[in-house]
Amino acid sequence: DAGITQSPRHKVTETGTPVTLRCHQTENHRYMYWYRQDPGHGLRLIHYSYGVKDTDKGEVSDGYSVSRSKTEDFLLTLESATSSQTSVYFCAISPGGEGVREQYFGPGTRLTVT
Amino acid sequence: QQPVQSPQAVILREGEDAVINCSSSKALYSVHWYRQKHGEAPVFLMILLKGGEQKGHDKISASFNEKKQQSSLYLTASQLSYSGTYFCGTDPGGANNLFFGTGTRLTVIP
Repeated sequence: DAGITQSPRHKVTETGTPVTLRCHQTENHRYMYWYRQDPGHGLRLIHYSYGVKDTDKGEVSDGYSVSRSKTEDFLLTLESATSSQTSVYFCAISPGGEGVREQYFGPGTRLTVT
Repeated sequence: QQPVQSPQAVILREGEDAVINCSSSKALYSVHWYRQKHGEAPVFLMILLKGGEQKGHDKISASFNEKKQQSSLYLTASQLSYSGTYFCGTDPGGANNLFFGTGTRLTVIP
């Protein structure tokens, strides 16, 4: 299994509070991704990173920001959480390099915004 | 840009075969297939690339019709361990940024 951990694994927070989710990898992979998974929507890309300090927006980036100061860590921040951000958040990594490459997913973080 | 998967759910007996379809309205560079068991992370199964190259699982096969922007996943002689939700992810630009379908729930019963 790819070495990916996510923390916390579960979190309950109140509307309007800031929340940061962490993804940590031990594979030294170049690409990292944040997805959210909701019933009826499948997985949707929030942000991704193609290197340290290199990030870009995905399909559903509004209300989220990311940072990557080290190869191994990719942080997802909800500046002011809303109930619509209640979801399961998955981090994924990919080796990059030449050609299309597979993505390996972390165990997920279940976030509930009350 | 979300692809459409069909069927939404299927129940099989052990040993039966199934086909899961994935269709996009956009031209595709590649199609990725993942399986997710309840409460777990998605697990990579296969990538199909424009031009015919495939990478992935040796016991599951798939096809990719570039002209129709469609892919099919073939599960033969199903086992109980095949149960789960199957997702296709489509990559229109070759940048590996995927758009996932809503999934097909496969249940294999004894």
